[in-house]
Amino acid sequence: GAGVSQSPSNKVTEKGKDVELRCDPISGHTALYWYRQRLGQGLEFLIYFQGNSAPDKSGLPSDRFSAERTGESVSTLTIQRTQQEDSAVYLCASSTRGTGDNEQFFGPGTRLTVL
Amino acid sequence: GENVEQHPSTLSVQEGDSAVIKCTYSDSASNYFPWYKQELGKRPQLIIDIRSNVGEKKDQRIAVTLNKTAKHFSLHITETQPEDSAVYFCAARSRTPLVFGKGTRLSVIA
Repeated sequence: GAGVSQSPSNKVTEKGKDVELRCDPISGHTALYWYRQRLGQGLEFLIYFQGNSAPDKSGLPSDRFSAERTGESVSTLTIQRTQQEDSAVYLCASSTRGTGDNEQFFGPGTRLTVL
Repeated sequence: GENVEQHPSTLSVQEGDSAVIKCTYSDSASNYFPWYKQELGKRPQLIIDIRSNVGEKKDQRIAVTLNKTAKHFSLHITETQPEDSAVYFCAARSRTPLVFGKGTRLSVIA
């Protein structure tokens, strides 16, 4: 079946502009995660959605970052007033549940470049 | 919350030698420990995982060991090949989403 998909694959924007990144999880996966990966760095947790529960926003670096998810489907990550330090690959992942031994499947990522 | 430490950050081995990557975790309630491989420019992909009720798991040239008392787990790759060159991430999970280590860049020299 189809894996996790993300769009766009690449996004170049000017400092101060808003951007919106999209994630389509695997059908039936109730848990969805966003991570940020700066060049040559590890996976920085941003936000986690589990079903209809309130999202875990503990990883969002500032109030310029927000994310939404419609039910158990598409999620969008919005970055307002982008800064150069926001340049990174933004990875989305999904799993059947958010806890326990459930594999997280990653999408291909969106490479964001802020000029 | 959970904290995962991973080392070394870089590792170079000769083709055919073994590679070992070690991780420690802080939350004794963690019960799931996956390892992901990320090739250059690609997404992370699960290569092996271990649950807390198992001490060791092997899949061909890859093995993972878990010591719950010491709260550490390790990835072992034997007979390394150039295609094993990548960044490897360990992770741990209890009641929260996966917490990842900072990664180990493995280079296999032919």
